[in-house]
Amino acid sequence: GAVVSQHPSRVICKSGTSVKIECRSLDFQATTMFWYRQFPKQSLMLMATSNEGSKATYEQGVEKDKFLINHASLTLSTLTVTSAHPEDSSFYICSARTIWGGSLGSNQPQHFGDGTRLSIL
Amino acid sequence: GIQVEQSPPDLILQEGANSTLRCNFSDSVNNLQWFHQNPWGQLINLFYIPSGTKQNGRLSATTVATERYSLLYISSSQTTDSGVYFCAVLSGSARQLTFGSGTQLTVLP
Repeated sequence: GAVVSQHPSRVICKSGTSVKIECRSLDFQATTMFWYRQFPKQSLMLMATSNEGSKATYEQGVEKDKFLINHASLTLSTLTVTSAHPEDSSFYICSARTIWGGSLGSNQPQHFGDGTRLSIL
Repeated sequence: GIQVEQSPPDLILQEGANSTLRCNFSDSVNNLQWFHQNPWGQLINLFYIPSGTKQNGRLSATTVATERYSLLYISSSQTTDSGVYFCAVLSGSARQLTFGSGTQLTVLP
């Protein structure tokens, strides 16, 4: 089945540090990748939709200057948390959808990475 | 946007028991997936089931799209089934899944 690889799995760093998280689709191409954030005991909330070769679309309330998203190829998207602070500590999960024949593939399952647990001290 | 409600929010079972988890959604859907999030946070894709019934071992799922609900059945539960079960849907022109609030399942030995 389709595999999404996310790295690193865990990051602990000091306040003010910028942290980059990578998301790769290993055996399929995805024009669209998604970034979710999950706080303890809560559901996944979409942060942004990442489109290959174009600017990401951010959900309301998500600071685009704080969470920089780059989707340079059909298999790689990165999320950079800039100048991270303790309130940015969370579980970040990326996701990608298979594309066939150039369509978005909305009727195809969405595949998820294993997540990155970010702790800012 | 579409609303996704899951019930019950919490469920505690004795090992070997059966259970049914429910997902209600407020609009027609193109895609519905059930996930199990394990204690390490990994999301395991259980079913892709926009309609109909599927079975995989002790798990099965049914989606009745016309009535806007889906059910996840877990039979002969094991302690390794513990975790959070999420239902997520894709509706209309939306490009991404919308998640329900989840059901926290605890299976006691």
